[in-house]
Amino acid sequence: GAGVSQSPSNKVTEKGKDVELRCDPISGHTALYWYRQSLGQGLEFLIYFQGNSAPDKSGLPSDRFSAERTGGSVSTLTIQRTQQEDSAVYLCASSLEGLAGGIRDTQYFGPGTRLTVL
Amino acid sequence: RKEVEQDPGPFNVPEGATVAFNCTYSNSASQSFFWYRQDCRKEPKLLMSVYSSGNEDGRFTAQLNRASQYISLLIRDSKLSDSATYLCVVKAGGFKTIFGAGTRLFVKA
Repeated sequence: GAGVSQSPSNKVTEKGKDVELRCDPISGHTALYWYRQSLGQGLEFLIYFQGNSAPDKSGLPSDRFSAERTGGSVSTLTIQRTQQEDSAVYLCASSLEGLAGGIRDTQYFGPGTRLTVL
Repeated sequence: RKEVEQDPGPFNVPEGATVAFNCTYSNSASQSFFWYRQDCRKEPKLLMSVYSSGNEDGRFTAQLNRASQYISLLIRDSKLSDSATYLCVVKAGGFKTIFGAGTRLFVKA
């Protein structure tokens, strides 16, 4: 079936503008994750959704970042007043369940959104 | 100390070689462990889960040592197509997923 999709694939914006990134998880996956990966760096965990709820938002880098998920499916990550240090690839992943461990916890990634803030 | 640490490499090996990567984690409550691979400018993809008893998938063998808090990945008979960054992934029984920074592998003809 269809994998995780993200849009846009690339986004170039000017410093100070707001951007919205979208993630469509695999159908039936209840858990959804957002990560950020800067050039040559590892993945930085941002936020996790179980259904529409985000139990812990402490991974978000600043209060300019927010995320929501509606209908237990699509999620949007919004960055307000973008800064140059926000430039990175933003990756979304989904899994059948978030807390079960093992195979049902396997995360499948989308292709990412490459954000460039000028 | 980072929650998940990996030797960044790079490991440069000839085709057919056996190569091993280790990864250490700091949270003793960690419960789920995975190895992902990431090709240049691509998203990470699951290579294999790591089970307590160790597990094998073709040329790949993963092991977990809870007492020493490390996991390992062994690749036998390396292929050119194995060239990638290998990411160690740990979950501590909750939802927060910690990725290591990755180990780069180059397999050369």
